[in-house]
Amino acid sequence: NAGVTQTPKFRVLKTGQSMTLLCAQDMNHEYMYWYRQDPGMGLRLIHYSVGEGTTAKGEVPDGYNVSRLKKQNFLLGLESAAPSQTSVYFCASSYTPGQALTNQPQHFGDGTRLSIL
Amino acid sequence: AQSVSQHNHHVILSEAASLELGCNYSYGGTVNLFWYVQYPGQHLQLLLKYFSGDPLVKGIKGFEAEFIKSKFSFNLRKPSVQWSDTAEYFCAVCSRDNYGQNFVFGPGTRLSVLP
Repeated sequence: NAGVTQTPKFRVLKTGQSMTLLCAQDMNHEYMYWYRQDPGMGLRLIHYSVGEGTTAKGEVPDGYNVSRLKKQNFLLGLESAAPSQTSVYFCASSYTPGQALTNQPQHFGDGTRLSIL
Repeated sequence: AQSVSQHNHHVILSEAASLELGCNYSYGGTVNLFWYVQYPGQHLQLLLKYFSGDPLVKGIKGFEAEFIKSKFSFNLRKPSVQWSDTAEYFCAVCSRDNYGQNFVFGPGTRLSVLP
């Protein structure tokens, strides 16, 4: 049981380049989240999804886009990377249907370290 | 909007010292509370959680936390820390909004335990 898998684990980009981060979960979770983690800032929610085909903005959505075409996958895209997007990105998932909604913690991937030069 | 604050940015302790990390949240409704730990270079792992019932919650590795509703607090404690507890600790609050779960994380507290 892999849980939450993020690819790639590391990437270096030049300013203006684009890329997509992939998150995959095998726990049949309905909700998926993308966070960025910066020193002293904790985790900040970028975008999230409450089900296949749905996405919503989080706290810091600017410069990012997401898609949830399949329930198990949540993609985070950077159309034109900027140095301010240098960060560690974490994907998380939660909520198995049939169980109490709020009584379920998030499960996290290992993170993607992204550097924008 | 709810928010979560953690009292200390960086805590330095010697082994065997007692630990208490503060967490306060602002939200008037029903919440679930969590503490996550992130060891160096690793992802976040659930340490313990509070949903309902006994406000004193015991988690893994000897950690516990107490939910004090009147103070909107959920402080993490451990009687005697070990060098292996060196990590970053995040408090998180989960409530329910129109879109489902709403998780908010605190900024984190870095714990350094000196051998």
